[in-house]
Amino acid sequence: DAGVIQSPRHEVTEMGQEVTLRCKPISGHDYLFWYRQTMMRGLELLIYFNNNVPIDDSGMPEDRFSAKMPNASFSTLKIQPSEPRDSAVYFCASSFWTGGGHIQYFGAGTRLSVL
Amino acid sequence: KQEVTQIPAALSVPEGENLVLNCSFTDSAIYNLQWFRQDPGKGLTSLLLIQSSQREQTSGRLNASLDKSSGRSTLYIAASQPGDSATYLCAVLSGSSYGKLTFGQGTILTVHP
Repeated sequence: DAGVIQSPRHEVTEMGQEVTLRCKPISGHDYLFWYRQTMMRGLELLIYFNNNVPIDDSGMPEDRFSAKMPNASFSTLKIQPSEPRDSAVYFCASSFWTGGGHIQYFGAGTRLSVL
Repeated sequence: KQEVTQIPAALSVPEGENLVLNCSFTDSAIYNLQWFRQDPGKGLTSLLLIQSSQREQTSGRLNASLDKSSGRSTLYIAASQPGDSATYLCAVLSGSSYGKLTFGQGTILTVHP
């Protein structure tokens, strides 16, 4: 398997524009996670899905952020409208539950810069 | 609310030294604890996972221990090499947050030749 695939790797946009980040999880994994990483706040969980259903979105900063998982092989994180404080690296991760926990496999991330 | 703290924030050592990274967590009701490695500009790679019923896990030169009652874990790296230079993150899966990992801020490790 190619691992978790994220696109684009880098995104530069202007304030107010819509941004869509994409993620393809590892085949067979039933959990998908979206994280945001900044120097100030570290790694924060935004939302996670189980079997394509959102389970916990308490980390989504505000209504400008939305995430979808229309099928088991694809998820999107959308920011509309984007603001400079949204600049960060966004990671997607996937895993499967083994009973004693699960190991999350991370994508390479999308570095977002909002000017 | 679970909080994870890692000490030190940064560490610089000469090649060949044995070293210890520390992680502490506030809520001892955990399913497991994981140690990750992050290289600059890359995603996270899982190094070791310790179940709540286990005391330690080993992989090559890495050994991770868990003392759940005191809320502590250590990652021991033997005979460090320049290729070990990276950020090491500790994360816990809490009993009250099924599926949700809480991460520490990480320790930036530099191993110089």
